[in-house]
Amino acid sequence: QVHLVQSGAEVKKPGASVKVSCKASGYSFTAYYIHWVRQAPGQGLEWMGWINPNTGGTDYPQKFQDRVTMTRDRSISTAYMELSRLRSDDTAVYWCVRDPSGWYYFDFWGQGTLVTVSS
Amino acid sequence: EIVLTQSPGPLSLSPGERATLSCRASESVSSWYLAWYQQKPGQAPRLLIYGASSRATGIPDRFSGSGSGTDFTLTINRLEPEDFAVYYCQQYESSPLTFGGGTKVEIK
Repeated sequence: QVHLVQSGAEVKKPGASVKVSCKASGYSFTAYYIHWVRQAPGQGLEWMGWINPNTGGTDYPQKFQDRVTMTRDRSISTAYMELSRLRSDDTAVYWCVRDPSGWYYFDFWGQGTLVTVSS
Repeated sequence: EIVLTQSPGPLSLSPGERATLSCRASESVSSWYLAWYQQKPGQAPRLLIYGASSRATGIPDRFSGSGSGTDFTLTINRLEPEDFAVYYCQQYESSPLTFGGGTKVEIK
């Protein structure tokens, strides 16, 4: 079965950075894009970008262009999302998700990582 | 960016009834590029429909999607107790990918 297992909850101070990992299993890691989606408490879903695990190519929406970096380590089938210059409104659950087709919808989701930004 | 507006909100229904959820886009979205998700409290969303009308693997046939252009609909026939949740539409016609604000289907 497909599994995406994320790293644990984080508490960070404003201005710091956070790096969340996402370990894939049960399928060929390099065959499917990984995206990141977040959800602030009580709010809707927000797309943060994708990484092509095969090439390392990325695409980020303008909102996150200067603060997010997505990377991967093919040897351990793991994707990473680093968000810098954290603000209180970055407090959210962050999910890595698999794109099954390259058409940018999401069939498998990680368990989510809560990132809390607080002074 | 394409804005997706979902209605109604919330939707109060009884088990066995039909739910009709609407997702309206601020500009035209190809039918290939519209998905629906279900989210229960404390859980990740689950893919229900992609390509506006194709059910994802393992999704019961009481869930169906339709629509084109700027108006899309998710229909849930004969609501089961486990169907009470929040539903989101998502477009992947153009970047940035966007989600609707969600429609909560609650027990009447």
